Amino acid sequence: DTGVSQDPRHKITKRGQNVTFRCDPISEHNRLYWYRQTLGQGPEFLTYFQNEAQLEKSRLLSDRFSAERPKGSFSTLEIQRTEQGDSAMYLCASSLDRQPQHFGDGTRLSIL
Amino acid sequence: QKEVEQNSGPLSVPEGAIASLNCTYSDRGSQSFFWYRQYSGKSPELIMFIYSNGDKEDGRFTAQLNKASQYVSLLIRDSQPSDSATYLCAAEYGNKLVFGAGTILRVKS
Repeated sequence: DTGVSQDPRHKITKRGQNVTFRCDPISEHNRLYWYRQTLGQGPEFLTYFQNEAQLEKSRLLSDRFSAERPKGSFSTLEIQRTEQGDSAMYLCASSLDRQPQHFGDGTRLSIL
Repeated sequence: QKEVEQNSGPLSVPEGAIASLNCTYSDRGSQSFFWYRQYSGKSPELIMFIYSNGDKEDGRFTAQLNKASQYVSLLIRDSQPSDSATYLCAAEYGNKLVFGAGTILRVKS
């Protein structure tokens, strides 16, 4: 069990650029989740995959955000035309069925 | 609107004391509750989860759930300076967790 892995750990980009984050879940976990966390707040749910199917998306996930999980393994989260308000920690979590979710170390996004 | 409320703190306790962290939730639809610990700049780490009314103990940690009062708590016995962190309470609704904003715990040596 190597844990949930996220890459990169930090991303600094200019407003208007596109960014992509990667998440590798714990190997036997079939469920994968993306959350966003801003300073002083708890994580907020963005989206959820069971295997390769994206089954739920939050209203927070505007049309500039897209997530994929090809072949039910790793997942990517892309943000197009980044805005200042996108600055946050993006957390990935995984679980086996309805067992508790385990989080990765996150990707901290800073928009200049 | 599904909400989880926590006192932001900070809660300060002396080393060796019992720290009591509390959480309330708005929607009775949740059946599962979780406590995560988060150190500054790090990811949330699962400490405890509880599904049934009553107490659940694991080492120095005890989670308590009262569904009638929609109340969840976490007790940390023999608090250590290394327990200083933000403690996040989460309720499971469907396929997602809804988190409170967290309570900052400071254990003074």
